Amino acid sequence: DGGITQSPKYLFRKEGQNVTLSCEQNLNHDAMYWYRQDPGQGLRLIYYSQIVNDFQKGDIAEGYSVSREKKESFPLTVTSAQKNPTAFYLCASSISSGSEAFFGQGTRLTVV
Amino acid sequence: AQSVTQLDSQVPVFEEAPVELRCNYSSSVSVYLFWYVQYPNQGLQLLLKYLSGSTLVKGINGFEAEFNKSQTSFHLRKPSVHISDTAEYFCAVSELQAGTALIFGKGTTLSVSS
Repeated sequence: DGGITQSPKYLFRKEGQNVTLSCEQNLNHDAMYWYRQDPGQGLRLIYYSQIVNDFQKGDIAEGYSVSREKKESFPLTVTSAQKNPTAFYLCASSISSGSEAFFGQGTRLTVV
Repeated sequence: AQSVTQLDSQVPVFEEAPVELRCNYSSSVSVYLFWYVQYPNQGLQLLLKYLSGSTLVKGINGFEAEFNKSQTSFHLRKPSVHISDTAEYFCAVSELQAGTALIFGKGTTLSVSS
């Protein structure tokens, strides 16, 4: 069953802790993306990667970090430097950057 | 850089009425255009896409959209909505060049009531 898997679905962390969100795809897509969704703000691009071992900052990269060591995986770390980390995070992938994106089910992160 | 404006944040309609969700984009180069739908606490699902060719694009669930290059618009339409169409809808654009990502609008909440 091909698709994108994000885990966990819900995540709670204390303020000041780093947290890593998982994203795995078995679609053999080259490009992967992380978006943040807040009410009324739409989806804002955090980071994207066109190929393994390469990634670019999006519009709101501050306080986040990523790695792309394998084609299938694109984990996102929310660091303590992110001022307002509570949000819904969506991972996506596409055959190539800019083409139709397929989305995971999202991770809702709550920082208390 | 490209940008997307969805002109209505909320659109309330009655069941079986027609609906149009408006989307305008800004870009200096040729673009791909997309409409996605999101149900609560879920990811996004592609409704339809414009890559090239016919400017009238048909998608899933009876939706269609028309690409208008002169007006830089890509409005989404459905002739008769159902309660189950209640969801949030996102318009997205990407530029026809390597190394770009999809950029999304802020979304339009479609509320269908009986």
